[in-house]
Amino acid sequence: VQLVQSGAEVKKPGASVKVSCKASGYTFNGYYINWLRQAPGHEIEWLGWVSAYNGNTNYAQKVQGRVTMTTDRSTTTAYMELRSLRSEDTAVYYCARGDDWNSLWYFEYWGQGTLVTVSS
Amino acid sequence: EIVLTQSPGTLSLSPGERATLSCRATQSLSSKYLAWYQQKPGQAPSLLIYGASSRATGIPDRFSGSGSGTDFTLTISRLEAEDFAVYYCQQYDTSPGTFGQGTKVEIK
Repeated sequence: VQLVQSGAEVKKPGASVKVSCKASGYTFNGYYINWLRQAPGHEIEWLGWVSAYNGNTNYAQKVQGRVTMTTDRSTTTAYMELRSLRSEDTAVYYCARGDDWNSLWYFEYWGQGTLVTVSS
Repeated sequence: EIVLTQSPGTLSLSPGERATLSCRATQSLSSKYLAWYQQKPGQAPSLLIYGASSRATGIPDRFSGSGSGTDFTLTISRLEAEDFAVYYCQQYDTSPGTFGQGTKVEIK
């Protein structure tokens, strides 16, 4: 199982960012993909999940309304778009594979992380 | 949401010593759905323990997890050089899943 994320991004406040997560080594549409982030020196924060099976989503309240998570089954890639960026969105963003049945689960497989820096 | 509090914040130990890390939840985890991760600088977290006490694939048996209800423990029986890192607990009992703030295990 491999999850390979897109490269680092630098964005201005108010802009949007879209991070990709290319999955391989397993049946993509059988699992949930979760997105998490970690600000420098801080704990890990769960942002939401997307079902690669049917596209259903569940977002954390903190980013609800600013985030959209999608999948492309043809390319086995998951995407996380975050809009109206603020300086406090500066963090390393991770995708992680969840369970095939339970939407809330632990994470055995992680992407390598994508640093998103929001700065004017 | 369930808040996880890890203690201590930093643990200063020597190789070969035993490390005991605590994770306390604000509500009981009825299904023992608690995981532990290790994170080294510049790397993604790596799963160590799930279900409070089950070791993930390839994890050496010097790592063990225990606990139930609101109190959980990760024990490293004899620290090796590669074990000095930050450790996080995560509950997946009640949505949203949440993480503790981490315990740094550093070389004394």
